[in-house]
Amino acid sequence: GAVVSQHPSRVICKSGTSVKIECRSLDFQATTMFWYRQFPKKSLMLMATSNEGSKATYEQGVEKDKFLINHASLTLSTLTVTSAHPEDSSFYICSADLAGGGTGELFFGEGSRLTVL
Amino acid sequence: GENVEQHPSTLSVQEGDSAVIKCTYSDSASNYFPWYKQELGKRPQLIIDIRSNVGEKKDQRIAVTLNKTAKHFSLHITETQPEDSAVYFCAASWTGTASKLTFGTGTRLQVTL
Repeated sequence: GAVVSQHPSRVICKSGTSVKIECRSLDFQATTMFWYRQFPKKSLMLMATSNEGSKATYEQGVEKDKFLINHASLTLSTLTVTSAHPEDSSFYICSADLAGGGTGELFFGEGSRLTVL
Repeated sequence: GENVEQHPSTLSVQEGDSAVIKCTYSDSASNYFPWYKQELGKRPQLIIDIRSNVGEKKDQRIAVTLNKTAKHFSLHITETQPEDSAVYFCAASWTGTASKLTFGTGTRLQVTL
């Protein structure tokens, strides 16, 4: 089956630093990847849609300069949390859509738990 | 945009009983409705999905029903087991170009012995 790998699974950083999270599709090409954020005991909230070779589309209320997304290849999308603050602490999960699939089914990464001190 | 509501937020059932979780959606264009199971600190796992051209789908102890007219869909788990305990999320999307899922608020299911 389709596998999406996310790294790192856990990261702790100091306030003011930047953190990069990688999302890779291991055995398929993903034209589109999605980045979600999940607070404890809450639902997954879509942050942005990452499209290979073009700018990401951000959801309302998500700061694009704060959460930089790059999708340079069909197998890799990165999310960089810039100048992280404690309120950015959360569980970040990526998902990928098979290139040209349009089936609806998404494949999720393992998630990355970010803790900002 | 799409809005998905989910009820109940918590559900406790005895082992062997059935559990039902209900969701409603707002966008009549949505045509794909997956259900995910998420254990603490883990990724969501797809357990069953249904498309708008089908009214019901079953996979062993799990079934999903869809009422397009009323814009609601439900998850049914029969003969519940302790390992069914988790958080369940419904979601909805339109699969025209890319699968931008909107998730429900989640239901914490606790199966007691």
